[in-house]
Amino acid sequence: EPEVTQTPSHQVTQMGQEVILRCVPISNHLYFYWYRQILGQKVEFLVSFYNNEISEKSEIFDDQFSVERPDGSNFTLKIRSTKLEDSAMYFCASSDVRQAGANVLTFGAGSRLTVL
Amino acid sequence: AQKITQTQPGMFVQEKEAVTLDCTYDTSDQSYGLFWYKQPSSGEMIFLIYQGSYDEQNATEGRYSLNFQKARKSANLVISASQLGDSAMYFCAMREGGRGGADGLTFGKGTHLIIQP
Repeated sequence: EPEVTQTPSHQVTQMGQEVILRCVPISNHLYFYWYRQILGQKVEFLVSFYNNEISEKSEIFDDQFSVERPDGSNFTLKIRSTKLEDSAMYFCASSDVRQAGANVLTFGAGSRLTVL
Repeated sequence: AQKITQTQPGMFVQEKEAVTLDCTYDTSDQSYGLFWYKQPSSGEMIFLIYQGSYDEQNATEGRYSLNFQKARKSANLVISASQLGDSAMYFCAMREGGRGGADGLTFGKGTHLIIQP
């Protein structure tokens, strides 16, 4: 079964450092997303991406965050200058808008970011 | 106001019993979708079931069914014949609006389900 893959699975970084989280969405999917989950809390929407541009972003997704689809397969989330509160699990997801009805998101296994 | 409310932070259920996980939602949109995801201890998010606001029948997927009561704005997940492997966090989520994939999902805080042998 096709899956969304994310790397790294866990990254530890110093406050102020730049971090890039990588995702390979399912190949025929058209929408891509990033969500985050702070430990013990609910999953929060960050950004959606379609047709090589941001479709929607939440208020969490401030100027410190950026997304990019540098080639035909990868989808990246960059945090320019990490803060302690950026420590979370970051989930990439993708969906095929052509699916009838649900437009179900398929999530990756997540990248755990720890900022020290 | 919370968009998605899950009132059960934790539940203990005996194996083989049926389980109902509560979810209520708040939206003024006419077109919306409701989702349930399972998050086992390993952390990944697994899609379980979907209900569209215009679907007249309750969704079912194997042992999962969604008890959709539109007037009450509730979308409870029912797991029949629970198994030990059902122990996990369960999140209810909603997509509002008619823009298809562009709209992000809003998640509830989740219910931690523990199945006891």
